[in-house]
Amino acid sequence: GAVVSQHPSRVICKSGTSVKIECRSLDFQATTMFWYRQFPKQSLMLMATSNEGSKATYEQGVEKDKFLINHASLTLSTLTVTSAHPEDSSFYICSATLPAGGTYNEQFFGPGTRLTVL
Amino acid sequence: KQEVTQIPAALSVPEGENLVLNCSFTDSAIYNLQWFRQDPGKGLTSLLLIQSSQREQTSGRLNASLDKSSGRSTLYIAASQPGDSATYLCAVRTQGAQKLVFGQGTRLTINP
Repeated sequence: GAVVSQHPSRVICKSGTSVKIECRSLDFQATTMFWYRQFPKQSLMLMATSNEGSKATYEQGVEKDKFLINHASLTLSTLTVTSAHPEDSSFYICSATLPAGGTYNEQFFGPGTRLTVL
Repeated sequence: KQEVTQIPAALSVPEGENLVLNCSFTDSAIYNLQWFRQDPGKGLTSLLLIQSSQREQTSGRLNASLDKSSGRSTLYIAASQPGDSATYLCAVRTQGAQKLVFGQGTRLTINP
């Protein structure tokens, strides 16, 4: 149980285009999902917290107009990188939590999406 | 602001050895702590979750301990195997917060 998927697993795009990454909780409903990015040989940095039916909360320094997050259902959150540039190339990972009594416990992570912007 | 540090950054040991990975955090008011494994180019696999009220958790050859007062956690791997080679990440969720704060990870190599 508690499986999180991401699609696509790998994407290559031209500079200036937009890319959408999907994060799905396959066997549970996730009221909260998280989006992270990871640069090579570095740790995960939280970009934003996505709550179903409301606007995402972005971490300091993350451009919300560039990284659009939509959490339209209890099983799907999307991250759209708008007008992508080579510096946006990174590994993007989402996670989801099992809500338990209004609190948040273990986070389950997706397999990640490798974005390369040419 | 919570900060998480992992030492060492890299570790290489021969197969069969027992080893300890260290994680320290600056704010002891935590909700829980998780240890993850990450293989190159892959996502994260959760290994152990320790709630703030717990002292340790065990899964197979892995044992994680938590000392909140000193802001430390250790991950003990017994009888290491080449398949244990990966990056191990420690992450802390602070009281009142939803997000996890990650350490930089320890890159572990087990030599046959």
